Amino acid sequence: DTGVSQNPRHKITKRGQNVTFRCDPISEHNRLYWYRQTLGQGPEFLTYFQNEAQLEKSRLLSDRFSAERPKGSFSTLEIQRTEQGDSAMYLCASSLVRGRSGNTEAFFGQGTRLTVV
Amino acid sequence: AQSVSQHNHHVILSEAASLELGCNYSYGGTVNLFWYVQYPGQHLQLLLKYFSGDPLVKGIKGFEAEFIKSKFSFNLRKPSVQWSDTAEYFCAVNAQYNFNKFYFGSGTKLNVKP
Repeated sequence: DTGVSQNPRHKITKRGQNVTFRCDPISEHNRLYWYRQTLGQGPEFLTYFQNEAQLEKSRLLSDRFSAERPKGSFSTLEIQRTEQGDSAMYLCASSLVRGRSGNTEAFFGQGTRLTVV
Repeated sequence: AQSVSQHNHHVILSEAASLELGCNYSYGGTVNLFWYVQYPGQHLQLLLKYFSGDPLVKGIKGFEAEFIKSKFSFNLRKPSVQWSDTAEYFCAVNAQYNFNKFYFGSGTKLNVKP
């Protein structure tokens, strides 16, 4: 399967613990996004990378959250000192952006479901 | 910031019925528009997209959507639904001034009864 891959698929953690999720985008894609989805809502933007550069972060991304894409390929999202409100599905998506054109679609992974108990 | 509204949260239809799901967005400038579908247990998949040109867009599995700029709408339609169309449908928008983000609606759950 050459789609977007996310690991783990499910994570249960105790409040206060740190967790890290991994996303492997489609190989030739230069843009990578992280989204969060809670029950009954659509995905909400968290952050995105153009190659290895993190270019924008949402206000939803508190200082307990950090994302990296060290070599412009896979990305990690770490949540420190997890809280129950962090329980959600964390989605990764990737796209290929050419030049200044915005005409691109995002391809999504299956997500990591985080439950904080 | 952009907002995307999907007014129907849950739709129940019988097979062969026609479907129309509403989507309205708030941004007045040039936009790209998308419909994504999420089948049970699966990831979000693109159904169709609009960038420019013919406002009537045809997608996979017999779906189509019409962009009406004056109404800020991008409604999804299918003339005859099947049980296999049972899924959650999300409308998404990105603004051409800032195509770095996709804004999603809250989704519509479609349940097709056999």
